[in-house]
Amino acid sequence: GAVVSQHPSRVICKSGTSVKIECRSLDFQATTMFWYRQFPKQSLMLMATSNEGSKATYEQGVEKDKFLINHASLTLSTLTVTSAHPEDSSFYICSAKTRGVDTGELFFGEGSRLTVL
Amino acid sequence: GQQVMQIPQYQHVQEGEDFTTYCNSSTTLSNIQWYKQRPGGHPVFLIQLVKSGEVKKQKRLTFQFGEAKKNSSLHITATQTTDVGTYFCASTGFQKLVFGTGTRLLVSP
Repeated sequence: GAVVSQHPSRVICKSGTSVKIECRSLDFQATTMFWYRQFPKQSLMLMATSNEGSKATYEQGVEKDKFLINHASLTLSTLTVTSAHPEDSSFYICSAKTRGVDTGELFFGEGSRLTVL
Repeated sequence: GQQVMQIPQYQHVQEGEDFTTYCNSSTTLSNIQWYKQRPGGHPVFLIQLVKSGEVKKQKRLTFQFGEAKKNSSLHITATQTTDVGTYFCASTGFQKLVFGTGTRLLVSP
């Protein structure tokens, strides 16, 4: 099946620094990738939709300048949390749709747990 | 906006008991997907239902899509400890997948 790899799986950073999270589709081309955020024992909240070669579409309430998304190729999307603060600590998960026949299935990365001190 | 609620939020069962989680939407859904997320893990796709009244089975799991396409259910027969995790329903609308609130299942041996 399709594999999505996310890196790093865990990151701890100081308040005020920026953190980049990578999401790669390893064996398929992903025209669309989605970034989710999940707080402990809560559901996944969609942050933005990333389309290859174009600007990301952000959900209401998500700061574009805070969460920079880049989808430079059909296999890579990155999320950069700029000037991170403790309230940005969360589990960030990316997912991707395959380029071929749309079965509706999304393939998820392993997630990245961010802790901001 | 589209909201998908799930009940119960949490359920603790003894191994061998059945389990059901319900998903309800305020609007008609084009489809419903179900995912399972193990503790510390990422969501894994289980199934997608598209047709009104559709019922699909995967071994001990039975998935149902309501006639009005506003609700869905996942039923697990004779739970096992490996069924532990959070079950999410989700639906696509405007090219994005929106998740339900999730039901956390704990199974005691």
